[in-house]
Amino acid sequence: DAKTTQPPSMDCAEGRAANLPCNHSTISGNEYVYWYRQIHSQGPQYIIHGLKNNETNEMASLIITEDRKSSTLILPHATLRDTAVYYCIVKEGGGTSYGKLTFGQGTILTVHP
Amino acid sequence: GAGVSQSPSNKVTEKGKDVELRCDPISGHTALYWYRQSLGQGLEFLIYFQGNSAPDKSGLPSDRFSAERTGGSVSTLTIQRTQQEDSAVYLCASSLNPAGGWYEQYFGPGTRLTVT
Repeated sequence: DAKTTQPPSMDCAEGRAANLPCNHSTISGNEYVYWYRQIHSQGPQYIIHGLKNNETNEMASLIITEDRKSSTLILPHATLRDTAVYYCIVKEGGGTSYGKLTFGQGTILTVHP
Repeated sequence: GAGVSQSPSNKVTEKGKDVELRCDPISGHTALYWYRQSLGQGLEFLIYFQGNSAPDKSGLPSDRFSAERTGGSVSTLTIQRTQQEDSAVYLCASSLNPAGGWYEQYFGPGTRLTVT
């Protein structure tokens, strides 16, 4: 029962912005959008998360549509080291909700020279 | 500082044997998770520990799988009578207490288990 839909793969040129979309049309009001990535042969790494406002940190920006049914992860200047599988995850936030993550298939982002 | 560590990094075992996989979480992290990733598949939640609370075992695929966490720190995932379908990368993650808010999960490098 995947809550998110992502394209299976995307390409990006080095130095350009990578925009990774995610659809989560059944998201509920208390559910956040989280992004993780997994570089080959490594464990997943947290990138960013948000509820309804756009968010930015040192790694990426997260744009969430006003109706919250979709979002876009933006890597502003992709490098070869950003080649990875990117997972968009929807789950309840903090409080009494614990942190089990449900991963889908993700998007394989390939950054090429 | 030290991240989540797992051992062994690779384990090859014969079908029917028991295996133990170890996870050392980040010091001070009270929440610990086990996931597995089969070839070409996404990550699958297995079990969750938080402090002294009863673990959430809802993701364990069969009663051949068990896990314990001693002293609120190190965790061991045990697979009895291994089957070929158990072949996967087993990942451990830890975080601060998620009941106090959301905290990111830090993942270890994983243990690659191959059952022959």
